[in-house]
Amino acid sequence: GAVVSQHPSRVICKSGTSVKIECRSLDFQATTMFWYRQFPKQSLMLMATSNEGSKATYEQGVEKDKFLINHASLTLSTLTVTSAHPEDSSFYICSAVLTSGGVTQYFGPGTRLTVL
Amino acid sequence: QQQVKQSPQSLIVQKGGISIINCAYENTAFDYFPWYQQFPGKGPALLIAIRPDVSEKKEGRFTISFNKSAKQFSLHIMDSQPGDSATYFCAAHRGSARQLTFGSGTQLTVLP
Repeated sequence: GAVVSQHPSRVICKSGTSVKIECRSLDFQATTMFWYRQFPKQSLMLMATSNEGSKATYEQGVEKDKFLINHASLTLSTLTVTSAHPEDSSFYICSAVLTSGGVTQYFGPGTRLTVL
Repeated sequence: QQQVKQSPQSLIVQKGGISIINCAYENTAFDYFPWYQQFPGKGPALLIAIRPDVSEKKEGRFTISFNKSAKQFSLHIMDSQPGDSATYFCAAHRGSARQLTFGSGTQLTVLP
């Protein structure tokens, strides 16, 4: 149980284009999802907290207009990287917390974004 | 206050040995301490977790030791195997924000 999927697993795009990453909780409902960014050999850095039906809460230094988050249902959150640039290349990982309770975050497999 | 300090940065252990990774925190508002295992190119997977009212928790070969007064906790991997070679992250949860603060990670290599 508590499986989280991400799509796509890897994406390569040209500079200036937008990329959408989906995060789905497959066997549970998740009112709250989180988006992280991870650079090679570094820890996970929280970008934003996504709450179903409301605006996401962004961490300090994360541009909300560049990283658009939508959490339209209890099983799906999306992260759109707008006007991507090479410095946005990274490993993006989402996590979800069960609506039914608990504090454990279950992580997706991650999405490798490469911006050329 | 929000930091979780993790050590060592890297660890090499012989097969069958004990791997020990340590973490320390400052914020007494943290209420839940999970450990995650991450393989290259994959998302983190929950390994084991503990609450501060418990001093030790064991699941199979993995044990968390928790010292509330010292604000430290550690992961012990008994009988380490080459398949345990991965990056391990400790984390601390702050209930009010429902957020995790991660340690910097430990790259474990278990030699065959």
